[in-house]
Amino acid sequence: TQLLEQSPQFLSIQEGENLTVYCNSSSVFSSLQWYRQEPGEGPVLLVTVVTGGEVKKLKRLTFQFGDARKDSSLHITAAQTGDTGLYLCAGAEIYNQGGKLIFGQGTELSVKP
Amino acid sequence: GAVVSQHPSWVICKSGTSVKIECRSLDFQATTMFWYRQFPKQSLMLMATSNEGSKATYEQGVEKDKFLINHASLTLSTLTVTSAHPEDSSFYICSARGSGRAQEVYEQYFGPGTRLTVT
Repeated sequence: TQLLEQSPQFLSIQEGENLTVYCNSSSVFSSLQWYRQEPGEGPVLLVTVVTGGEVKKLKRLTFQFGDARKDSSLHITAAQTGDTGLYLCAGAEIYNQGGKLIFGQGTELSVKP
Repeated sequence: GAVVSQHPSWVICKSGTSVKIECRSLDFQATTMFWYRQFPKQSLMLMATSNEGSKATYEQGVEKDKFLINHASLTLSTLTVTSAHPEDSSFYICSARGSGRAQEVYEQYFGPGTRLTVT
């Protein structure tokens, strides 16, 4: 079973600070998704990265897929209180035909005013 | 597009009763849906993969006779928690697998979740 190690698991920062969340695995993924979840709601898809070395930007969020497609990072610039939530990375196993995703442990982000 | 609904959003039931949760893909057809369980401030735990027209595939440790899954159509999957007990209280979330462009087959679109409380 592939594992996706996500770190840090908890992060509390002040508004305006930058942060980076990491997801690492020893296995190769076909693609990797990042989701954001607010309490009492389902996860919302932020981005999908597919190509090794790919970088995608979504306003103040920058997502990167490692060259070997084994790791990914999420960088938030000038965090805002509205960024507070649970961030989840999830990878699609390279040989999996059923579409099952492997989820990281999640990063609980708290941005304080 | 890619909207998934769940019903009910929350339910309270007595120990020993059964509860059915519905998951619908509203604007696309989903041959594959997934059912997850989530504990507070933790990641998602996959319970089973639901395939339209065939039996669900359960993850190790998940009791298939307790968590009955039926994927009767391309837009509807149901999860029935049978003989519920307090330890079944949790947040249950479904997702539907994307289709179409190659990238989308790896994406999952999640419902809003169902909070189950068993008293």
